[in-house]
Amino acid sequence: SAVISQKPSRDICQRGTSLTIQCQVDSQVTMMFWYRQQPGQSLTLIATANQGSEATYESGFVIDKFPISRPNLTFSTLTVSNMSPEDSSIYLCSGVELAAFFGQGTRLTVV
Amino acid sequence: AQSVTQLGSHVSVSEGALVLLRCNYSSSVPPYLFWYVQYPNQGLQLLLKYTSAATLVKGINGFEAEFKKSETSFHLTKPSAHMSDAAEYFCAVSEGSSYKLIFGSGTRLLVRP
Repeated sequence: SAVISQKPSRDICQRGTSLTIQCQVDSQVTMMFWYRQQPGQSLTLIATANQGSEATYESGFVIDKFPISRPNLTFSTLTVSNMSPEDSSIYLCSGVELAAFFGQGTRLTVV
Repeated sequence: AQSVTQLGSHVSVSEGALVLLRCNYSSSVPPYLFWYVQYPNQGLQLLLKYTSAATLVKGINGFEAEFKKSETSFHLTKPSAHMSDAAEYFCAVSEGSSYKLIFGSGTRLLVRP
């Protein structure tokens, strides 16, 4: 199955700053998604990363806070903007090839 | 709207005992159902999936799950637990092949020696 590489694996950031997370798939995939896993909780879908067009956001998530790019079928980025401690979470990228598979995640701590 | 309920945030079994992790779903359209495992500080690994074919699905590491439409359930089982099975398990549902996953709250499996 395809493999997703996600960078950075972890980061500690100052409040008010932004972090861009990169997701690289080793093969072309039609669908890519971004999820958030808050501490001790399950995963919540942030948005669908659409190739060549604006991402589709789930309820409670907005483009200004979580801008997403997907320039081609193997790469996507998620930016967490103007961070606050409440943004401390694991962010996971997912691609679809017969099923959804996941990257290792980015563990973000905002101080 | 879809939802997933996992009964039991923690399940503890002895090594060699049966593993049963429960998952019930709600979906207005034929669902696709998945079980994922998450080891500490790692991403999610797909154990198995149901996509409207055989109702008994076999996955990796000896796990299997049975789709029961009448009970809206998709419970995960393994005949004999191994210490390496200790992890967090997530059940998830999507609206058919959308693959936009709605996750359950997760069940942490503890395996006692």
